[in-house]
Amino acid sequence: DQQVKQNSPSLSVQEGRISILNCDYTNSMFDYFLWYKKYPAEGPTFLISISSIKDKNEDGRFTVFLNKSAKHLSLHIVPSQPGDSAVYFCVFQGAQKLVFGQGTRLTINP
Amino acid sequence: DTEVTQTPKHLVMGMTNKKSLKCEQHMGHRAMYWYKQKAKKPPELMFVYSYEKLSINESVPSRFSPECPNSSLLNLHLHALQPEDSALYLCASSQEGGGFNGYTFGSGTRLTVV
Repeated sequence: DQQVKQNSPSLSVQEGRISILNCDYTNSMFDYFLWYKKYPAEGPTFLISISSIKDKNEDGRFTVFLNKSAKHLSLHIVPSQPGDSAVYFCVFQGAQKLVFGQGTRLTINP
Repeated sequence: DTEVTQTPKHLVMGMTNKKSLKCEQHMGHRAMYWYKQKAKKPPELMFVYSYEKLSINESVPSRFSPECPNSSLLNLHLHALQPEDSALYLCASSQEGGGFNGYTFGSGTRLTVV
């Protein structure tokens, strides 16, 4: 049973435009949702998180939105930069563990 | 120091070898984790240590043996592995329970079993 689903395996965006990455979840018993970014052969890097009592959190170019009624999470990156090209994981943080979505490979085109 | 350091970065081992992966953090985190990532898949949890005690074992085969000698160190002892165990092994640490700042991951050890 996949608790966190990222239905788009890849996304291509023009530099300077907005990147929107989406995530759906099934389990409502979570403390936080997090977004991690991963380059090849490196560990995941924490980007931004949102707690279950919030519907939006913003940090610089990154904004995460949480729609609890739809069980949907999204990450907005604006403006997108070439260095943002990576795999992005939507991650559910429950009791003592992180559960990763399948990831979305984001490519920013110059 | 805000890093998790993993050694070695690359490891090639035979199916009869015994080797160990090491992980170190000096952020005062009291929870440490081992994750395994296969190509084109998300990381999957293997073990969780909380206050130096094993709190979660995700039904990992006994050929993988974790050890937490102290609050800063985490080892993963490997013995009689199979070629399908080849993967990127990631160590992470966090404040107890994780929290708003998530987990900090190391760069991983790329393991190849031949």
